[in-house]
Amino acid sequence: SQKIEQNSEALNIQEGKTATLTCNYTNYSPAYLQWYRQDPGRGPVFLLLIRENEKEKRKERLKVTFDTTLKQSLFHITASQPADSATYLCALDNTGNQFYFGTGTSLTVIP
Amino acid sequence: GAVVSQHPSRVICKSGTSVKIECRSLDFQATTMFWYRQFPKQSLMLMATSNEGSKATYEQGVEKDKFLINHASLTLSTLTVTSAHPEDSSFYICSAKDPRRGTQYFGPGTRLLVL
Repeated sequence: SQKIEQNSEALNIQEGKTATLTCNYTNYSPAYLQWYRQDPGRGPVFLLLIRENEKEKRKERLKVTFDTTLKQSLFHITASQPADSATYLCALDNTGNQFYFGTGTSLTVIP
Repeated sequence: GAVVSQHPSRVICKSGTSVKIECRSLDFQATTMFWYRQFPKQSLMLMATSNEGSKATYEQGVEKDKFLINHASLTLSTLTVTSAHPEDSSFYICSAKDPRRGTQYFGPGTRLLVL
């Protein structure tokens, strides 16, 4: 069956450290993968998109990697801040109109 | 600024009534929009894919007669929860796919409470 799993439901890290979130999938062949941030009671906010032929993408303090052999994406937040505390979701797009979300990881950055 | 808007942001209704939620794409024309439902502390569940000018495609287990979707224009899709019951209480979120980039942009969500 198709599955998208994100590492541990909750992740706590110290301010200033790098947060690393994982997204593993099975039985999908996504054309691209996207990461979103969601705050309580709000809709997800788009952060980064990485295509299947791209190994790495960066945006300010964010970095995403995509390994189609391992069927895994890693999402890094460097120099983390308390304001980065939120739930982070990965989503796979099989092209066309199939778009599926992972289970989400709740990140707490401790001052 | 917001790329996708939703209205209303919050609605409380009596059991048996119908509720309409609007989703507007503000920055681009979206031939495809999506409706999701989210329960507390859970991820988003795709309910249906809304295609402009044609019938929506519903995910397995979602009642199409219960959740009516209309995508009347390239910038507007509506979800109507018909004869709402307390178990329909949830957070409903729409999204629109930007055809230029392939990215989905989400609305702020609508909190529905059925009494």
